[in-house]
Amino acid sequence: GAVVSQHPSRVICKSGTSVKIECRSLDFQATTMFWYRQFPKKSLMLMATSNEGSKATYEQGVEKDKFLINHASLTLSTLTVTSAHPEDSSFYICSAGKREQGTDTQYFGPGTRLTVL
Amino acid sequence: KNEVEQSPQNLTAQEGEFITINCSYSVGISALHWLQQHPGGGIVSLFMLSSGKKKHGRLIATINIQEKHSSLHITASHPRDSAVYICAVRSVGTDKLIFGTGTRLQVFP
Repeated sequence: GAVVSQHPSRVICKSGTSVKIECRSLDFQATTMFWYRQFPKKSLMLMATSNEGSKATYEQGVEKDKFLINHASLTLSTLTVTSAHPEDSSFYICSAGKREQGTDTQYFGPGTRLTVL
Repeated sequence: KNEVEQSPQNLTAQEGEFITINCSYSVGISALHWLQQHPGGGIVSLFMLSSGKKKHGRLIATINIQEKHSSLHITASHPRDSAVYICAVRSVGTDKLIFGTGTRLQVFP
């Protein structure tokens, strides 16, 4: 199998606080991890791509100082939303790439719903 | 125009009906994914295709590389199939996925 977990599944925080979201590949070592954001009834928007031990590559328009990504190991990546504001409220999804038959397949985590009050 | 277009955007069906969701794309791809997202938000990868056809249970996915088109079929649909179905393509030479806007399917008993 290829299971990806996220923690927490849901978080509510006050404006100005920082929130850390973990993404783990449970039964495989991920070549690359991806972080997405999804607004209600919209498609996923790629925020950044991260590889273990190197700096994340952020998509245009995504503030790297706002959304800190740490990829400490081949099975764990974290996204920290710093000084969160209500406009950061969203559904955050990670995926992990697994090498299979010569190609990388992305497996998605269950998502984290962030609500900033 | 989006690089990945899905149709229809919304679809309702009676239990037992045969369902088809279409995906057209305008870029060169190395793979195409069909994903399922339930109301709770979690995403499940249904298929990854680079050519031909794949079948898993009641689900069938086909792709025509020349026409840049893929279809997802659900046979004998069931209310538990109600979800958003998302087509995503991986452009040649990149790890990144480009997502369609999704098709919201509701199957009524």
